[in-house]
Amino acid sequence: DTAVSQTPKYLVTQMGNDKSIKCEQNLGHDTMYWYKQDSKKFLKIMFSYNNKELIINETVPNRFSPKSPDKAHLNLHINSLELGDSAVYFCASSQNRGAYEQYFGPGTRLTVT
Amino acid sequence: QQQVKQSPQSLIVQKGGISIINCAYENTAFDYFPWYQQFPGKGPALLIAIRPDVSEKKEGRFTISFNKSAKQFSLHIMDSQPGDSATYFCAASMGNQFYFGTGTSLTVIP
Repeated sequence: DTAVSQTPKYLVTQMGNDKSIKCEQNLGHDTMYWYKQDSKKFLKIMFSYNNKELIINETVPNRFSPKSPDKAHLNLHINSLELGDSAVYFCASSQNRGAYEQYFGPGTRLTVT
Repeated sequence: QQQVKQSPQSLIVQKGGISIINCAYENTAFDYFPWYQQFPGKGPALLIAIRPDVSEKKEGRFTISFNKSAKQFSLHIMDSQPGDSATYFCAASMGNQFYFGTGTSLTVIP
């Protein structure tokens, strides 16, 4: 009974490619997030969606585009991958935009070569 | 800029000892201060959290101390165990904004 799941777990690709990471939550939460964790383990929020509506869009290259087909799914598409995109990407969800407890997925380790 | 400053970056404690991790913030509008625990290869998980209207919250061996005037808060792990070895993140939040500290890698030596 995974609460927040992500696929794939690992992603190795070459510079210039386009890739997607998928996230699903079965908690019935309204709000979902994407975070990037760099090699120094620093966690930074990238995007937040509430009921399929974008509510946070931090300073992220426009090569990153989130898509929320429904409130249980938030996918991340990355165009023209660069070496600096290598990181672990975490999806998270919370009950609603005012609820502070966030539940994180297991992460997707992206390696760009 | 870094909204939440966390120290130390790494911490080594003997089993049974007390682990203390400190965080500081600047924005007085923050109204929720959680601590997350992350094991290798896993996502962060909420450990304990506090709101600024209380000065201390305790859950089992884990205690948050909160000093509103100093804009600081800390995590104390009593009777530290090898199973507590993980990376700990403090965070501060207001509304939709959520900021993590830089993390503390805790190693508890048997």
